[in-house]
Amino acid sequence: EADIYQTPRYLVIGTGKKITLECSQTMGHDKMYWYQQDPGMELHLIHYSYGVNSTEKGDLSSESTVSRIRTEHFPLTLESARPSHTSQYLCASSESPGQGGFYYEQYFGPGTRLTVT
Amino acid sequence: DAKTTQPNSMESNEEEPVHLPCNHSTISGTDYIHWYRQLPSQGPEYVIHGLTSNVNNRMASLAIAEDRKSSTLILHRATLRDAAVYYCILSYNNNDMRFGAGTRLTVKP
Repeated sequence: EADIYQTPRYLVIGTGKKITLECSQTMGHDKMYWYQQDPGMELHLIHYSYGVNSTEKGDLSSESTVSRIRTEHFPLTLESARPSHTSQYLCASSESPGQGGFYYEQYFGPGTRLTVT
Repeated sequence: DAKTTQPNSMESNEEEPVHLPCNHSTISGTDYIHWYRQLPSQGPEYVIHGLTSNVNNRMASLAIAEDRKSSTLILHRATLRDAAVYYCILSYNNNDMRFGAGTRLTVKP
């Protein structure tokens, strides 16, 4: 069983608000990822991290920012939400080479469905 | 970047085998072939991966062509719970997982 959690599961918020989507994993994984997915569409990688104090941008340009202060925690922040940010946001984690175990598997959280009105 | 081509959708009958194809003619020698699936209203979950040899696990089998330009995910007995979008992904490391549109599998009772 994957132990990766996202809160909130659903969020409806007005334009201009600052929001933080939480993602935590209890597996001790070094790598963590954020994906964005519109309904019925592809997943797009927007951020990833190799470990504490590491953050990288993914394929899809995003106005969101991330931080990685603790191994288990990888929050995503939108400083000023807009209707164009309406989407589902999925967090994932995986081991790194050298940690042992199954290197290639990404474990996904249940996602946060964000609606900006 | 190496890309994959999958049918948009497939149908299967319950308890029958399902063969989900994936073409990846530009695969590089270091690319692994990964399969994930996404059940409705959930995040994707890992199914199987391989490099050159066929692979089996409790969920599925992966058959890889000898030239590695195509692969097939095999569900031996489809159940209603297998209805999902199945993604075939090429990646050397899992920083670079590009989920395409995938194949939407419908399982009929």
